[in-house]
Amino acid sequence: SQKIEQNSEALNIQEGKTATLTCNYTNYSPAYLQWYRQDPGRGPVFLLLIRENEKEKRKERLKVTFDTTLKQSLFHITASQPADSATYLCALPYNNDMRFGAGTRLTVKP
Amino acid sequence: NAGVMQNPRHLVRRRGQEARLRCSPMKGHSHVYWYRQLPEEGLKFMVYLQKENIIDESGMPKERFSAEFPKEGPSILRIQQVVRGDSAAYFCASSPRRQGGDTEAFFGQGTRLTVV
Repeated sequence: SQKIEQNSEALNIQEGKTATLTCNYTNYSPAYLQWYRQDPGRGPVFLLLIRENEKEKRKERLKVTFDTTLKQSLFHITASQPADSATYLCALPYNNDMRFGAGTRLTVKP
Repeated sequence: NAGVMQNPRHLVRRRGQEARLRCSPMKGHSHVYWYRQLPEEGLKFMVYLQKENIIDESGMPKERFSAEFPKEGPSILRIQQVVRGDSAAYFCASSPRRQGGDTEAFFGQGTRLTVV
């Protein structure tokens, strides 16, 4: 059965460092992959989409890679700030909808 | 252009009562998706609707749960005879096209259902 695994439940880093979050999937062959941010008590907010023929995508301090051989996506936040603290979800298309990983809760300490 | 609106934000129901969750999609969006999220868990797909039609309800329990998206008005997720295990956050998302077709989803703020 399809599975989406995000590296860890929680990640704590110091302000200014680069945060790297991992999304691994099995039994999927997605044409693209999405990353969302979710703050406590709020709905997820779309951040980035990367297609299978794109190795890397950037948006401001965010960078996403997509390795279809490893079946893995890496999500990087450079020069992290306390305001980046949130849960980050990866999502893959499945039939008519998106399937989400459980998320990684990132805490950036000042 | 208002975002996806869900109400109520919080809903408390006693066991056996009915819960009605409402979702107004973004203007121009005809595709609505409902997800359930338990604490520390990911979003679980429940149902996908397009105006007046249920396209995919494979994630929705067959008993007690139903969803509709009428021609006029919001989409409704209805849970009859609620049980404690129904306590969760329910999120609605809308998109201008089918989600699996390479388009982002816009989520509402969710309805937090507590069954006491």
